[in-house]
Amino acid sequence: QVNLLQSGAALVKPGASVKLSCKASDYTISDYFIHWVKQSHGKSLEWIGYINPNTGYTNYNEEFNSKATLTVDRSTNAAYLELSRMTSEDSATYYCTRWRRILYYFDHWGQGVMVTVSS
Amino acid sequence: QITLTQEAESLWVSPGEKVSITCRASQSLLYTDGKDYLSWYQQRLGQTTKALIYHASIRTDGVPTRFIGSGSGTEFTLSIEDVRPEDIALYYCLQTLKKPWTFGGGTKLELK
Repeated sequence: QVNLLQSGAALVKPGASVKLSCKASDYTISDYFIHWVKQSHGKSLEWIGYINPNTGYTNYNEEFNSKATLTVDRSTNAAYLELSRMTSEDSATYYCTRWRRILYYFDHWGQGVMVTVSS
Repeated sequence: QITLTQEAESLWVSPGEKVSITCRASQSLLYTDGKDYLSWYQQRLGQTTKALIYHASIRTDGVPTRFIGSGSGTEFTLSIEDVRPEDIALYYCLQTLKKPWTFGGGTKLELK
């Protein structure tokens, strides 16, 4: 069955970057857009942006324009979120999620990866 | 950007009761195609986030009929009839009419 498996928890130093992975199984990643969502303090959710894995086209929430970079590797059926110049504000859980284009909802979610920024 | 407000941060309910979770949008989510671009999600501890409702009122595959989405424009409700212990979770609304897409603040459903 469809699964989005995300990489394990990350501890990152302030100012550093981190790259999170999201590996799709039981479907071809090119067939659906992948979106990323940030959850801070265990509750509030923010939409980061999405990537069209077929074309590589990306669209970002302006709030994350200089923070996040979305990429995809079709050969490994995986999507990636790279976060740069990390600060304590970036400590959160990050989710990848698959977009049902016609029906307009996120039909599958990764399990989330907790990122902690600390020296 | 469109703000979604879920007034109740927490709701307490007993098994078997009905509960309603509301979501108010700062502008109408009704598009010219006649559809509201509002969906609902459930986050249970230890499980992946699950989509419940899309276009305000359509249940996703496999979602029990006791989950009911209603509303249009700026006022939306997710009702859960005959609440079961497994319904204890965080519930979020999401608007996908205009970017940046935005979520409500979430409502935690707890057992009395």
